[in-house]
Amino acid sequence: EDKVVQSPLSLVVHEGDTVTLNCSYEVTNFRSLLWYKQEKKAPTFLFMLTSSGIEKKSGRLSSILDKKELSSILNITATQTGDSAIYLCAVGPVYNQGGKLIFGQGTELSVKP
Amino acid sequence: GAVVSQHPSRVICKSGTSVKIECRSLDFQATTMFWYRQFPKQSLMLMATSNEGSKATYEQGVEKDKFLINHASLTLSTLTVTSAHPEDSSFYICSARDYLLAGGSHEQFFGPGTRLTVL
Repeated sequence: EDKVVQSPLSLVVHEGDTVTLNCSYEVTNFRSLLWYKQEKKAPTFLFMLTSSGIEKKSGRLSSILDKKELSSILNITATQTGDSAIYLCAVGPVYNQGGKLIFGQGTELSVKP
Repeated sequence: GAVVSQHPSRVICKSGTSVKIECRSLDFQATTMFWYRQFPKQSLMLMATSNEGSKATYEQGVEKDKFLINHASLTLSTLTVTSAHPEDSSFYICSARDYLLAGGSHEQFFGPGTRLTVL
């Protein structure tokens, strides 16, 4: 059965800290891995990764995929209280499965002032 | 960027009634729409995948007669929770995907969600 596992499930840090969130997957015919940030409402897109070893960066956030280890990490440097959210990792199996995503349980990040 | 809206954002209803939730893609044509539900502090659980003009594909354990999905146009999908009960109370989120916009990738654009409370 395809599955996506995130760790840790929750994390509390102070402003200015750097955090690393983990996502591992067991998916038949992997195609892409996506990271989302969810605050009060629906998830907002952060990154999509398809190739191993290529870092994607957006401001203080960065992410990289390791297809050998079947995992990805999401790094947030110099955290701010506005980074507090649930971070979701999702994996897309092959296109002919309708483009559906399999989500991990999420990591709840809380950044204290 | 691609925008997806949902209506209503919040609904409270009595047990036994039916509730319809709309999901619209505002600036692109959604070839596929997905419906998820999310319980507090939990991840998104995919309920069904709908392609415009065809029947929805439901995930295992999701009752298709209970959760009716219609995707009549490229910009609108609806989820009707029939004979709602308190255990159906949840956060329902739709997402939309355009094959061409996504370039064959799996990027989905999410609506803001609908909070359903069944009394």
